[in-house]
Amino acid sequence: QSVLTQPPSVSGAPGQRVTISCTGSSSNIGAGSDVHWYQHLPGTAPKLLIYGNSNRPSGVPDRFSASKSGTSASLAITGLQAEDEADYYCQSYDSSLSRWVFGGGTKLTVL
Amino acid sequence: EVQLVESGEGLVQTGGSLTLSCAASGFTLSNYGMHWVRQAPGKGLEYVSGISSDGGSTFYADSVRGRFTISRDSSKNTLSLQMGSLRVEDMAVYYCARGRGGYGDGHFDYWGQGTLVTVSS
Repeated sequence: QSVLTQPPSVSGAPGQRVTISCTGSSSNIGAGSDVHWYQHLPGTAPKLLIYGNSNRPSGVPDRFSASKSGTSASLAITGLQAEDEADYYCQSYDSSLSRWVFGGGTKLTVL
Repeated sequence: EVQLVESGEGLVQTGGSLTLSCAASGFTLSNYGMHWVRQAPGKGLEYVSGISSDGGSTFYADSVRGRFTISRDSSKNTLSLQMGSLRVEDMAVYYCARGRGGYGDGHFDYWGQGTLVTVSS
């Protein structure tokens, strides 16, 4: 049971927009901890996609955006491409557990 | 170019020990917090352990505290994870990752490709 809750899977056709939610609690996202997002293809190094709730590292396309509100956050991907098919994880810091925590991950399928 | 390369992959029996290493290049490891994150077969990412940039603080998930020890060798620019009393549930791909920020804004900006730890009963 992950501290941050994500849907197990989402899907969309090429060119469409999809969103992935990340629900936390008053001890992590709701406490003001930032939310970060990673893209992970099995067998490869996870890649930082969004940091500090809504900031994209250099090289990440602006098709990827994210926001945070209350105890939740969401990642949006517009103009879906086949190469976006991967697992996506949110991450934050939990002050009750005193450790960094991840969501359970969401598998994105591009139809 | 920042690179992290893990090594130490192995097969061990339950109760055994194994040490993982992470060689950093393109940056000075001791200037950053460094972390280990794992992914068990069919599961998501799980935070395992970390060490602060000044080396004065270490962090462990409850599941590994007392069994795993994180350390670094600044002269070799290398991060290590000594794993003891291994359990079947420790079987996973272990990634080292460079940390940025503090607690509330902490995230991991570079990751290695991972190294596989297999634990057999």
